[in-house]
Amino acid sequence: GAVVSQHPSRVICKSGTSVKIECRSLDFQATTMFWYRQFPKKSLMLMATSNEGSKATYEQGVEKDKFLINHASLTLSTLTVTSAHPEDSSFYICSAQIGNTIYFGEGSWLTVV
Amino acid sequence: GDSVTQMEGPVTLSEEAFLTINCTYTATGYPSLFWYVQYPGEGLQLLLKATKADDKGSNKGFEATYRKETTSFHLEKGSVQVSDSAVYFCALSVGTGNQFYFGTGTSLTVIP
Repeated sequence: GAVVSQHPSRVICKSGTSVKIECRSLDFQATTMFWYRQFPKKSLMLMATSNEGSKATYEQGVEKDKFLINHASLTLSTLTVTSAHPEDSSFYICSAQIGNTIYFGEGSWLTVV
Repeated sequence: GDSVTQMEGPVTLSEEAFLTINCTYTATGYPSLFWYVQYPGEGLQLLLKATKADDKGSNKGFEATYRKETTSFHLEKGSVQVSDSAVYFCALSVGTGNQFYFGTGTSLTVIP
C-alpha cells in the first residue's frame, strides 16, 4: 500500500542551527502535503498545507519564516526549522494526500539543545 | 469552527478490561471521523474511520459508531491487551481541504 516516509525519525540539533525534515510519498504522487506539530500533552496542530510548485499556506500563528516548507515535487515536501530553539523541540508529522485519501508519515522527533 | 473534544487521560486498565474513550465533535459540514493510534516512538496509524452517520468503523477489535444525533464517535474495545497501550487520537476531516482536526489524545496503558 501507499507509504509516506519521513526522515530523520529523530534528530538532535544545537540551538541556533537549522534542521530539515523530509516527507516523501514512496509509491504515489501526492497532490497535497500537510505538516503537523504535536505539543506535549496537546493535540496535533496543523502548521501548513503544501501544494507542489506553490507556496505553502500557513495556519494562523505559525511563523512562515521560521518553518520553511518547500514542496519541490509531487513526492517530496521538506520542513526546515530555522534558527531552532529549545521551544521548537516537538514531534513533527507530515501527511500526503492522493485523491480523497490521506496517509501519515511516521513522524520526526526534534530535540533542540 | 470545527473541533474535536476527547476524553482526557491517562487511562490505565487491566488486561481484558473494557475500554471506552469518549469523543465528541463540532463541525460546520458533514465530517468524516477517524481514530488514530500512536504507539510509543512511532507515528500515527489509522485505526478506523466512518464517513457518514450511523456508520461503524472497526479494526483490531476496536469499534466506533458515528452518532450524528449526539455528535459523538466513542472508541470501544471489549477486552484490551497490553499491546493496545498507546495514545489514541480522535479526528475529523470536513470540506474539500482534507485537513484534519485532532483531539488532544488519550494515553492508554494496559497492565498485565
